[in-house]
Amino acid sequence: GAVVSQHPSRVICKSGTSVKIECRSLDFQATTMFWYRQFPKKSLMLMATSNEGSKATYEQGVEKDKFLINHASLTLSTLTVTSAHPEDSSFYICSARFTTGRTEAFFGQGTRLTVV
Amino acid sequence: AQSVTQPDIHITVSEGASLELRCNYSYGATPYLFWYVQSPGQGLQLLLKYFSGDTLVQGIKGFEAEFKRSQSSFNLRKPSVHWSDAAEYFCAVGARNQFYFGTGTSLTVIP
Repeated sequence: GAVVSQHPSRVICKSGTSVKIECRSLDFQATTMFWYRQFPKKSLMLMATSNEGSKATYEQGVEKDKFLINHASLTLSTLTVTSAHPEDSSFYICSARFTTGRTEAFFGQGTRLTVV
Repeated sequence: AQSVTQPDIHITVSEGASLELRCNYSYGATPYLFWYVQSPGQGLQLLLKYFSGDTLVQGIKGFEAEFKRSQSSFNLRKPSVHWSDAAEYFCAVGARNQFYFGTGTSLTVIP
């Protein structure tokens, strides 16, 4: 149990277009989902914390108008990179925590975004 | 503010040798502590976690970690490393609505 599915696993888009990444908790309900960005050989940078039914909380330095996060249900959160540029190319990972009880986070497999 | 420090950026060990990866945290209360492993191009897999109780926790793949409150540490250990253990290891602190990672330790295993 506790599977988090992230889609797509890889995406290539043209500069100036928008890309949507989905994060689904397949077999549990997740009140909270997290979005991370990982640079090569670097740790995971928390971008935002997403709570179902409310606005996401963005970390300092993360542009909320560029990285749109929607958490419309207990099993789905989306990250939309708007007007993508080559510097947005990165590995994006989502994670989800159970609504109650368990506190560990379960991670999706990540999305490799390449903006050309 | 909470933080997680992994002092070793890269560690190389011989197959069969023992391993210890260091993790120190800073948090106002007792946090929930985790170790994750990431293979290249993949997501993260939970190795083990500490919430409370016994300070020595056992995880998957033969890993264990010890929580030492006095040292604010949660070091990961394995008595005998296998070549398949080569990966990136992340220590994490989770509390309330937050979840933060250390900078990771890259493990290389040589034959």
